[in-house]
Amino acid sequence: GDSVTQMEGPVTLSEEAFLTINCTYTATGYPSLFWYVQYPGEGLQLLLKATKADDKGSNKGFEATYRKETTSFHLEKGSVQVSDSAVYFCALSFLLDNQGGKLIFGQGTELSVKP
Amino acid sequence: DSGVTQTPKHLITATGQRVTLRCSPRSGDLSVYWYQQSLDQGLQFLIQYYNGEERAKGNILERFSAQQFPDLHSELNLSSLELGDSALYFCASSPRGGFGLAGEETQYFGPGTRLLVL
Repeated sequence: GDSVTQMEGPVTLSEEAFLTINCTYTATGYPSLFWYVQYPGEGLQLLLKATKADDKGSNKGFEATYRKETTSFHLEKGSVQVSDSAVYFCALSFLLDNQGGKLIFGQGTELSVKP
Repeated sequence: DSGVTQTPKHLITATGQRVTLRCSPRSGDLSVYWYQQSLDQGLQFLIQYYNGEERAKGNILERFSAQQFPDLHSELNLSSLELGDSALYFCASSPRGGFGLAGEETQYFGPGTRLLVL
C-alpha cells in the first residue's frame, strides 16, 4: 500500500547549517505531498506542499520539490535557526472511496539546532 | 493558530473508562478528520466526517466511535479504555468534503488532546 519513509532522527545541526531531511514515498496514484512541522507541545502545522510532479513547495526558507522519477520530496533549508528545532513529518494524501481521503505520514524526524 | 480547537487539552483516566474528545473545525470547513499519534504507531488516520456524515474510515477500533453534529463540531468517543490507548489525538479540518482530484486539499490540525490511561 501507499507509504512514506523519512530519514531517522534525531538530526542535530549548528545554527546556520544546511538542512536536508529525506523523504521517499510509495504510491499507486498521483498524490499530493506535504511537510508538516510539530513544535514541542503543539499540534501539526503545514509547512509546505506540492500537488504535482516537479512542483516546488516553499515557506519560511524551507523548500521541497516533488520528484516523481525518484519518488522523493526532500525537505531543505539553507541556514537553520534554533527556532527551527521541531519534529518534521512528510505526508502524502491518499484518496479513499466515496471521495474521502486521509494523510499517510512518515515516522517524523526530530531536528535539534544548537546555537 | 490553525483555527481548529480541541478540548480538553489533557485527560487522565483509568482502564475500562469512557471519554469524549471534542473538536471544533475552522470556520467554514466541512470536513473533520481524527488522527492518533502514539510512540509505536506514529500518526494514524482514524476517521473522516463530512457535513455530518461519515466519509472515510481508517484503523479505528470498534471501541471508538465518532460523530459530527449539525454545527460541524465533532466528538470522538473512546470506551473500554486500555493502557495502549494512551496517545495524542488530533483533529484536523479541511474546506471541502471531497479531497480534490489530486488530494491537494490541506488539512489544518488542532493542538491535540493528550490522553493518559492508567
